[in-house]
Amino acid sequence: GENVEQHPSTLSVQEGDSAVIKCTYSDSASNYFPWYKQELGKGPQLIIDIRSNVGEKKDQRIAVTLNKTAKHFSLHITETQPEDSADYFCEALYGGSQGNLIFGKGTKLSVKP
Amino acid sequence: EPEVTQTPSHQVTQMGQEVILRCVPISNHLYFYWYRQILGQKVEFLVSFYNNEISEKSEIFDDQFSVERPDGSNFTLKIRSTKLEDSAMYFCASSEVDPGSQYFGPGTRLLVL
Repeated sequence: GENVEQHPSTLSVQEGDSAVIKCTYSDSASNYFPWYKQELGKGPQLIIDIRSNVGEKKDQRIAVTLNKTAKHFSLHITETQPEDSADYFCEALYGGSQGNLIFGKGTKLSVKP
Repeated sequence: EPEVTQTPSHQVTQMGQEVILRCVPISNHLYFYWYRQILGQKVEFLVSFYNNEISEKSEIFDDQFSVERPDGSNFTLKIRSTKLEDSAMYFCASSEVDPGSQYFGPGTRLLVL
């Protein structure tokens, strides 16, 4: 069935290093891929998204890349800071517009000062 | 900055009881969603709603669940005859377009005893 695989499940980096989280999806028709940051006790917060007609999008220290052929997309955080520590979830849209949005299982990112 | 609000922040109920979770989406948004997150697990899509009808629903969203937009501002999730396994955080989200940036509410923590 529809699924989004997210890796790694946990990631620990030193402050200033880069962090990369990768998701793969199975439906080649998927065309929308957001990333969310969730801090403890709060709802998910959209941090960046990408549509299938572009390969990369960047917003300051955060970037997302999309490889449609391989059906994977990745979140890149550069110059990590302790406040980047949180759970990160990828999501993929299945079934076209107004279809199902499937979340990955999440990555717990820890940035050590 | 406009935000999605949810009430109550937490609710405790007895198994078999009905609960109604309320959400006020961002005022100019047209697409509404409910998600749930069981403690320690990923966020799961329940249902999307547009133009006063369900657009898409997941396997989780069975006959026990229903959604309604009773007026111009509220969006509700009703769970009939709650089960222990319904205990989770329930998040409401809204977006201006679909697919598009979804803004999540802070969630309602439901505990079924």
